[in-house]
Amino acid sequence: NAGVTQTPKFQVLKTGQSMTLQCAQDMNHNSMYWYRQDPGMGLRLIYYSASEGTTDKGEVPNGYNVSRLNKREFSLRLESAAPSQTSVYFCATLLGFNEKLFFGSGTQLSVL
Amino acid sequence: AQKVTQAQTEISVVEKEDVTLDCVYETRDTTYYLFWYKQPPSGELVFLIRRNSFDEQNEISGRYSWNFQKSTSSFNFTITASQVVDSAVYFCALTSNTGGFKTIFGAGTRLFVKA
Repeated sequence: NAGVTQTPKFQVLKTGQSMTLQCAQDMNHNSMYWYRQDPGMGLRLIYYSASEGTTDKGEVPNGYNVSRLNKREFSLRLESAAPSQTSVYFCATLLGFNEKLFFGSGTQLSVL
Repeated sequence: AQKVTQAQTEISVVEKEDVTLDCVYETRDTTYYLFWYKQPPSGELVFLIRRNSFDEQNEISGRYSWNFQKSTSSFNFTITASQVVDSAVYFCALTSNTGGFKTIFGAGTRLFVKA
C-alpha cells in the first residue's frame, strides 16, 4: 500500500505561474486535507474535504482552489503563484473523527 | 472557534534531562480529540498519541507521558531522560466533530537535545 502519495516532491515557480499539486490515497478514507507548513507557523489548514463531493475552506484558503475529483484524489491549485506561497505543502487523510491523520511526504514549493 | 497554542517556540536541553512541552487548546465542542505529532529532521509527520475529551487519564509510553487537564484546557507532553534522537519539532493538534472533522495544529515546539 502506498498510503498517501503527493506529487511533485519539489517545484520551483515564477510569480504568476499556475500549478496543481496532486494527492492520491489508497486507504479508502473519506476525509482529505491540504496543509501548508511555514517556519514558526506550524501546519495551517488550507482546504479540506470531509467526503467525496464536498470541500470547505480552512484557515488560509486565499490564493488556492481545490478539487475532490473522486474519493481517492484531492488536488490543490495555485492559479497565480506568489512568493508568499513558498512553503511545504502536506496532504493528509482521515478515516474517522477519532482517528489520526495520515500524511503524504510533502511538496516543497518555491515561488520566485 | 478552535485554537491550539504552543507557547514554547524552541527548547534546548542536555541529554538525560526531563522536558515538558506545553499545549493549550480552545474549542466550544464537548467532543473532541487531541493529538501529538513529531516531525524529525527528515520531515515526515509521526503520530505519537490521541486522547479524547472524555478521557482525562494520564498516559505513559516508555519515556513519554501526557497530562490532559480539561479544567485548564491543556494537554502537555513530557519526555523523561531525553535523548539526542528526541530532537524534532513537536506539534499538538485538535480535531472536533463539527465542521467536517477539521484538525487544527499548534505552531510547534522545536526541541534540541544536546549530547
